[in-house]
Amino acid sequence: AQTVTQSQPEMSVQEAETVTLSCTYDTSESDYYLFWYKQPPSRQMILVIRQEAYKQQNATENRFSVNFQKAAKSFSLKISDSQLGDAAMYFCAYRSARGAQKLVFGQGTRLTINP
Amino acid sequence: DSGVTQTPKHLITATGQRVTLRCSPRSGDLSVYWYQQSLDQGLQFLIQYYNGEERAKGNILERFSAQQFPDLHSELNLSSLELGDSALYFCASSVGVDGSNTEAFFGQGTRLTVV
Repeated sequence: AQTVTQSQPEMSVQEAETVTLSCTYDTSESDYYLFWYKQPPSRQMILVIRQEAYKQQNATENRFSVNFQKAAKSFSLKISDSQLGDAAMYFCAYRSARGAQKLVFGQGTRLTINP
Repeated sequence: DSGVTQTPKHLITATGQRVTLRCSPRSGDLSVYWYQQSLDQGLQFLIQYYNGEERAKGNILERFSAQQFPDLHSELNLSSLELGDSALYFCASSVGVDGSNTEAFFGQGTRLTVV
């Protein structure tokens, strides 16, 4: 079974600074997708960024980018120019490219932005 | 707004009771997923339905059941409730079926409190 591990229960960063959230996963599959979801206090799960395992290029969405290291099974999220609205729980998630589309989530990292 | 609607938003009930959580997927989405978010277990996949048929099962208790109706809305039934069932229950929907490269969109969740 696949597992996802987020080793940082909490992180904090100064507004306008850069922060990196860590995620590692375990799988025997070669084809899969990885995601970062944001859960603000409103509790809505919002997709931040996704990465296809077959793509070597790291995904980027505006201020959000990932560092995908397939061999190391590592998938970190970098948030540049942090804003107060980035404060939330961040979840890393894995989904197989075959079979059921269920998401396997990490335990989450609570990100605090200091003004 | 993700387009996925969950009702009710909040539910408080007593131990031993039965409740039904409802989910309306985004227009055109055929797959519905149920997830449970609790403090001790994190975010866990419960069950997936695709076009009315059960597609995948996760860590869903026997006291829990779900179904997807012809109009594609889904219900999650929780019975013989215990204190430990208190959690946030999410519904998500996607267009695709197994392995297809489609996003899952989450509803805002139903907060269940068992007292």
